[in-house]
Amino acid sequence: SQTIHQWPATLVQPVGSPLSLECTVEGTSNPNLYWYRQAAGRGLQLLFYSVGIGQISSEVPQNLSASRPQDRQFILSSKKLLLSDSGFYLCAWGRGSRYTDTQYFGPGTRLTVL
Amino acid sequence: QKEVEQDPGPLSVPEGAIVSLNCTYSNSAFQYFMWYRQYSRKGPELLMYTYSSGNKEDGRFTAQVDKSSKYISLFIRDSQPSDSATYLCAMIGQGAQKLVFGQGTRLTINP
Repeated sequence: SQTIHQWPATLVQPVGSPLSLECTVEGTSNPNLYWYRQAAGRGLQLLFYSVGIGQISSEVPQNLSASRPQDRQFILSSKKLLLSDSGFYLCAWGRGSRYTDTQYFGPGTRLTVL
Repeated sequence: QKEVEQDPGPLSVPEGAIVSLNCTYSNSAFQYFMWYRQYSRKGPELLMYTYSSGNKEDGRFTAQVDKSSKYISLFIRDSQPSDSATYLCAMIGQGAQKLVFGQGTRLTINP
């Protein structure tokens, strides 16, 4: 069966500090990978998605970047965090470009920028 | 106008009641429809997945799709306090890579 991991689970960072959030998927190959942000009481905002290694599509111009160094690894980064970067960050995977399919979410990382 | 509209609630009902959650959408290309349940401080979990129009039942949950009206529903029978969560609808068109989500409806089942 497939499993998706995210870490850390919780993070408190000062404004201006760097960020690195990691997501890995087990039990599947060539997945589509997604990063979402969910602000308190708000819906899901798609930040980035990737259909393959090194292939990243950005949905919202902002302070964040994403990378996919391996098939089942997706990293969300920032060089300098802003207060507005606080939120709940969710990684998700889908079965890949050949399928029109649903997505499966990880447990999330709660980021607080102070 | 948003592609997917979902009443954010909050919705509060007594235990045992039938709950109806709804989304409307504007893009006729959507063909696959999902409902996710998200408990507080957790990631969304897939609850129901349907294709095209009709009903799909899974235990106490029924998903209904009416493509002619661009309207989807999730019914919860015999609601339990453990059903208290935020419910998100999502949909996608054939060949697309990105789900389009509703804002989510916050549901509370009172014992």
